[in-house]
Amino acid sequence: AQSVTQPDIHITVSEGASLELRCNYSYGATPYLFWYVQSPGQGLQLLLKYFSGDTLVQGIKGFEAEFKRSQSSFNLRKPSVHWSDAAEYFCAVGASGGYQKVTFGIGTKLQVIP
Amino acid sequence: GAGVSQSPSNKVTEKGKDVELRCDPISGHTALYWYRQSLGQGLEFLIYFQGNSAPDKSGLPSDRFSAERTGGSVSTLTIQRTQQEDSAVYLCASSLGLAGTNEQFFGPGTRLTVL
Repeated sequence: AQSVTQPDIHITVSEGASLELRCNYSYGATPYLFWYVQSPGQGLQLLLKYFSGDTLVQGIKGFEAEFKRSQSSFNLRKPSVHWSDAAEYFCAVGASGGYQKVTFGIGTKLQVIP
Repeated sequence: GAGVSQSPSNKVTEKGKDVELRCDPISGHTALYWYRQSLGQGLEFLIYFQGNSAPDKSGLPSDRFSAERTGGSVSTLTIQRTQQEDSAVYLCASSLGLAGTNEQFFGPGTRLTVL
């Protein structure tokens, strides 16, 4: 069965600092990987996704993520965090092939301090 | 165009009552998903629809939970004899179809509180 681990439940960074949110997955074949963001009172929004090809994926709002098969990781990064990035971030893994049954991680809540 | 909509946005009910949660997917999206988001638990898959059929109901936590979809569009999630542990945010998502590469678009959710 597929699974996702987000080891950091809560992270606090200063505005302008760099950010890395960790995600490790378990899946038997090549996975589909996603990062979603959920702002307070909002639905989930897709930040970026990896299906195949280039292992460094660019997303919206200046985010990027790198797929590392050897480490079963798909960490999310941003070089300079803005106050508006404060939200909850979910990593997710989906099965390659067939319909998109996605398993989500528990989420990482990001706090941005001035 | 309009995104995924869900109603009601908030529902407070008493233990033992039945509730119905509604999801209106994006027009033309044939795939529809229900998830449950509990505090500290992340998102939990409940059920998947392709058209009006549900090939995967594996996430429904008990037989008190059921869902249907009509006309390949609107879906209703019904919880019978609600329990306090059913309190959560119920999210609906839709996507273009079968391909695993299709992005899921999420609605704002229904917050269910069972007293």
